[in-house]
Amino acid sequence: KAGVTQTPRYLIKTRGQQVTLSCSPISGHRSVSWYQQTPGQGLQFLFEYFSETQRNKGNFPGRFSGRQFSNSRSEMNVSTLELGDSALYLCASSPDGVAGSYTFGSGTRLTVV
Amino acid sequence: AQRVTQPEKLLSVFKGAPVELKCNYSYSGSPELFWYVQYSRQRLQLLLRHISRESIKGFTADLNKGETSFHLKKPFAQEEDSAMYYCALSDAGGNTGKLIFGQGTTLQVKP
Repeated sequence: KAGVTQTPRYLIKTRGQQVTLSCSPISGHRSVSWYQQTPGQGLQFLFEYFSETQRNKGNFPGRFSGRQFSNSRSEMNVSTLELGDSALYLCASSPDGVAGSYTFGSGTRLTVV
Repeated sequence: AQRVTQPEKLLSVFKGAPVELKCNYSYSGSPELFWYVQYSRQRLQLLLRHISRESIKGFTADLNKGETSFHLKKPFAQEEDSAMYYCALSDAGGNTGKLIFGQGTTLQVKP
């Protein structure tokens, strides 16, 4: 059974650009959550989707957005990139959206220069 | 505000010694608490949750609502326990993918 797949694994972007990260959940999983991980702030919740609906949103500026498709795949987008957006972005999926049932992906390492 | 605090960034012990990774939380309702572990070059994974009251890989954690703590314990540390450990809290009765994580504690078990 394939795990949570995040693409790309690494990304380098320039300030002011935008970026889209992709997450393919485990087959049959209906919920996807996104987290930002940095050395200074640790793991911070970005947003959560369940059956294409955003169920929760963290305290991030509007430049951070996401969506979930009918096949449960999810994307997150960051517009007008800032140096501080450099981080590891983790996606996690769950069959039922219950805390503790989420399986994490390996993450996308975004570097903004 | 909801908050999870792990006071130690690094905990270094010798093999066979007892381990206690501290976690304190701030939450106004009835939280669900978890411990996650990340071994070197591996994905973040769930270690245990307080509602299960189970022991995983010899680790246990008891929720103390009076002290708002959820410390992770193991009586005899093994070298393979070396990893990053995160304490996390879920609100909304656990029916959410939103977790609030602590800053993490690196456990180093020396031979």
